[in-house]
Amino acid sequence: IAGITQAPTSQILAAGRRMTLRCTQDMRHNAMYWYRQDLGLGLRLIHYSNTAGTTGKGEVPDGYSVSRANTDDFPLTLASAVPSQTSVYFCASSDGLDTGELFFGEGSRLTVL
Amino acid sequence: GQNIDQPTEMTATEGAIVQINCTYQTSGFNGLFWYQQHAGEAPTFLSYNVLDGLEEKGRFSSFLSRSKGYSYLLLKELQMKDSASYLCAVRDGDYKLSFGAGTTVTVRA
Repeated sequence: IAGITQAPTSQILAAGRRMTLRCTQDMRHNAMYWYRQDLGLGLRLIHYSNTAGTTGKGEVPDGYSVSRANTDDFPLTLASAVPSQTSVYFCASSDGLDTGELFFGEGSRLTVL
Repeated sequence: GQNIDQPTEMTATEGAIVQINCTYQTSGFNGLFWYQQHAGEAPTFLSYNVLDGLEEKGRFSSFLSRSKGYSYLLLKELQMKDSASYLCAVRDGDYKLSFGAGTTVTVRA
């Protein structure tokens, strides 16, 4: 049972480079989310998607974009990475935006130099 | 924005009980969640409260008072494997889930 798969697990990136973090779920969940986790700040919502074809902004969306072309995939793109985007990124999904708990992927550790 | 407060750290002895408090101020309320996160791992779901009262699940219980904007997670019969960070999260009026910074619980032998 895969659940949610994130890739890459870890990446070091030069500032200014473009980066896409991949997220795939096989639970047929409607809602998907991207959070970043930083020490002392907890998990902060970047973007979310209620269903395929729709996306919304979370608490810290600047510098990030997402797309939801189908139910299973929800990639997060950093168009031009900056050092403040160094963080652990978690993708999550739930049955619906208003139902069910969130299931999290294993995380992607990104370091921007 | 949302405001979710919980203590930063707690230490307890194996076999004891620990209570982690969480207070929140959010725009609307559609449920409160507790997650457990071991170092270097993903958060995993522990409990969900949407109505006032106590929800019990094995050694873990969670309580909610919506009028007070207050919840607690009770961990009984502590085991070494319970050493982890515990995250309080609130689903707001727009159904987005916001997290507190987490409480690191250290269980000592």
